[in-house]
Amino acid sequence: EPEVTQTPSHQVTQMGQEVILRCVPISNHLYFYWYRQILGQKVEFLVSFYNNEISEKSEIFDDQFSVERPDGSNFTLKIRSTKLEDSAMYFCASALSGGGASSPLHFGNGTRLTVT
Amino acid sequence: GQNIDQPTEMTATEGAIVQINCTYQTSGFNGLFWYQQHAGEAPTFLSYNVLDGLEEKGRFSSFLSRSKGYSYLLLKELQMKDSASYLCAVREQIPSRGMLTFGGGTRLMVKP
Repeated sequence: EPEVTQTPSHQVTQMGQEVILRCVPISNHLYFYWYRQILGQKVEFLVSFYNNEISEKSEIFDDQFSVERPDGSNFTLKIRSTKLEDSAMYFCASALSGGGASSPLHFGNGTRLTVT
Repeated sequence: GQNIDQPTEMTATEGAIVQINCTYQTSGFNGLFWYQQHAGEAPTFLSYNVLDGLEEKGRFSSFLSRSKGYSYLLLKELQMKDSASYLCAVREQIPSRGMLTFGGGTRLMVKP
């Protein structure tokens, strides 16, 4: 069964450094998402991406964050200058359709980001 | 905005049936999803409801009442491997592009 893949599985970085989290969505999916989950807390929406542009973003997704689909397969999340509070599990997800109510999000296994 | 509520924790016995409730408030409902999440892992899709009623999928069933803003996930013949968090998530019509808003999750512990 096709799956969403994320790399790296774990990233440790120092405060103020830039990180890029990488995702390869399911190949025929058109809608892409980043979510994060701080340890012990709920899964929070960051951003959705469709047709090569951001569709929606949450208030968490401030100017320090950016997303890109540099080619036909990769979808990346960049954090420009990491803060301690950015430490979380970051999940990439993709869906076949966005408006279709029956299209679930398929999640990757996540990247655990630790900012020291 | 949305408000999604579910119990924080539940405990049940292997072989039993458990019902996990979810209530939500939303301005434009466009589907309710249940996901399972084992500790440290990704959420995996379990079920989906957009119309009122019961959807059955093997040992898992999910029910929706749109007028009451209420859903439940029913797990039958519980197994130890069902110990996990169960996440209720709602999709709104606007904004959409498919995004889901998640509740805090219900951590289910299955005991022998």
